[in-house]
Formats: sequence, C-alpha cells, structure tokens
Amino acid sequence: SQQGEEDPQALSIQEGENATMNCSYKTSINNLQWYRQNSGRGLVHLILIRSNEREKHSGRLRVTLDTSKKSSSLLITASRAADTASYFCAANNNDMRFGAGTRLTVKP
Amino acid sequence: DAGVIQSPRHEVTEMGQEVTLRCKPISGHNSLFWYRQTMMRGLELLIYFNNNVPIDDSGMPEDRFSAKMPNASFSTLKIQPSEPRDSAVYFCASSLGDRGSYEQYFGPGTRLTVT
Repeated sequence: SQQGEEDPQALSIQEGENATMNCSYKTSINNLQWYRQNSGRGLVHLILIRSNEREKHSGRLRVTLDTSKKSSSLLITASRAADTASYFCAANNNDMRFGAGTRLTVKP
Repeated sequence: DAGVIQSPRHEVTEMGQEVTLRCKPISGHNSLFWYRQTMMRGLELLIYFNNNVPIDDSGMPEDRFSAKMPNASFSTLKIQPSEPRDSAVYFCASSLGDRGSYEQYFGPGTRLTVT
C-alpha cells in the first residue's frame, strides 16, 4: 500500500518562525494530501496537491511536490502557538494511507 | 452540514463485551472509512466503503471486528468480544468520490477503553 512517511518525527520552534515538514513516498501517485490533527481530535484536511502540480498555497501554508524525488514538503510561515499539532501526509495512488506524522510544537 | 458524526464519543467496557461504534457521514459523500489510532501503531485504515459496499477490509485486525453500511447515511463498527488491546481512538471519515481522489472529512472519534 502507498504510505507517506513524514520527517522529522517532532519539531519544536518559536512563534514567528517558519516550520518545514517533509514527506516521502515510494510509488507514483495521483495526488498527495496534508492533514492536521489537534490533540484529541480528528484529522483536518489542509491541502491536496495533484501529481501534475509542483506548488500550492493556502494562507500561511505552502506545499511543494517533487515527483522525481517522490517527496513533498509542507511549509508553515510565521508560525503561531495555535499551529501546534500533528501533521500527516497521505500519498494516493488509489490506495491512500497515513504516515506516523510530524509533531509540531510552536512555543509562544 | 454538521460534519461527520460519531457516537458514542467515549466508551468504557469490560473485556469480552460487545462494542458498537456508529458513524453518520456527510450527506452526499459516497466513500466512508474507519480508522483506528494508537500511540504504538499510529493511524490505521480498518475498512473502506464505496457506495455502501465494502471495498477494502484488509486492515480489519481479526474476525472479532466487523463493519456494516446498511445505507448511505449510517455505518457501524462492531467488536465482539472486545479485548484490552482494542483500546484506541476510532475515527470515521467520509469523502466525495473514490478513495484518495478527494479530501477526507473526519469525525471527532470514539475513544474506546477496554478494561
């Protein structure tokens, strides 16, 4: 099955700094999706980037996709304490599984 | 729309008891997913329905687990008999279209504790 693997496992930064999380996968994909999970809650969809797209923005979020390297990155600019959460990627090739996630802590 | 609705939110039961978790997907969505999340194993896909038909149940741990989707607006996940290792948060999610083609919308989860 296709599963995204996030890196790093944990990331701690100060408020105002940028946070970058990476995702790698193994086979060709139709799209790649990023989700956020706040403690004790369900996952919330952030961005879907299709295989023919290289970059996508949503507010303070920027996602890139490099299909030649089979990798994606999620950049959160000007982070806030409220961005503290776990972030998951899911690579889809008609079988989509979630990785272990990156635990982001933004210190006020 | 109220989003994906799950019940109960918390369930505490004794080993050997039957547990039934319920899910109401977002109206109009034709794909439904059941996930289990634990610290040790992360987020695992248990089963995926499309148009009320189970398409992929390869993640169902064993015969003690069963899932049904009698109609487009309701699904259940049943564990019988329950065991302490089943303790986890169980999420239901729904999406428009086939698996992975669209974003998934997750419910709040059911936290199951089996003593």
